[in-house]
Amino acid sequence: NAGVMQNPRHLVRRRGQEARLRCSPMKGHSHVYWYRQLPEEGLKFMVYLQKENIIDESGMPKERFSAEFPKEGPSILRIQQVVRGDSAAYFCASSPPGQRENIQYFGAGTRLSVL
Amino acid sequence: AQTVTQSQPEMSVQEAETVTLSCTYDTSENNYYLFWYKQPPSRQMILVIRQEAYKQQNATENRFSVNFQKAAKSFSLKISDSQLGDTAMYFCAFTLYGGATNKLIFGTGTLLAVQP
Repeated sequence: NAGVMQNPRHLVRRRGQEARLRCSPMKGHSHVYWYRQLPEEGLKFMVYLQKENIIDESGMPKERFSAEFPKEGPSILRIQQVVRGDSAAYFCASSPPGQRENIQYFGAGTRLSVL
Repeated sequence: AQTVTQSQPEMSVQEAETVTLSCTYDTSENNYYLFWYKQPPSRQMILVIRQEAYKQQNATENRFSVNFQKAAKSFSLKISDSQLGDTAMYFCAFTLYGGATNKLIFGTGTLLAVQP
């Protein structure tokens, strides 16, 4: 059973470009979470999705950021018109439905660098 | 709102010795889970150990154990017989049980260096 897959591992964008980060959850997992880790900081929650639904987006900036988890395919975190402050590591995690303990399994992250 | 505090930015331990990492948290809820995650230089987040708040018995996983003090809202991690491969950033995390969201709230981390 493959783990959570994120791609790309590294992404370089110039200011004003768009960044698209992909996350394929573990097999059988229908819950996906995105977290952001700024340099020298802990992970901060951004958004929680289930298939085709956003459950909690309280940690996601209102402007320029969006996330989706379609019925088919990976979850996508999209950042429009990137700025230098968006440079960070973005982690995706997944968990199976109906799990009381809420153990989240993390991918290796995507490191976004904005020039 | 829930918060997680790790007051030790960095720690060092000699190989084969024991080290304890501190974590405190704040919540008004009664049912929750606590976790310790490890982030080695590869940056992969790895679950080390978890604790259910309703269980009084402290969780253990091989060389890793916790001291969970619910009244004090304290959740420390003890690593016994430290190994070089334990060198990593360690994050304490909290999540509510049965809430509308399953988000993890992380502390700022403790960088542990195991010295040969």
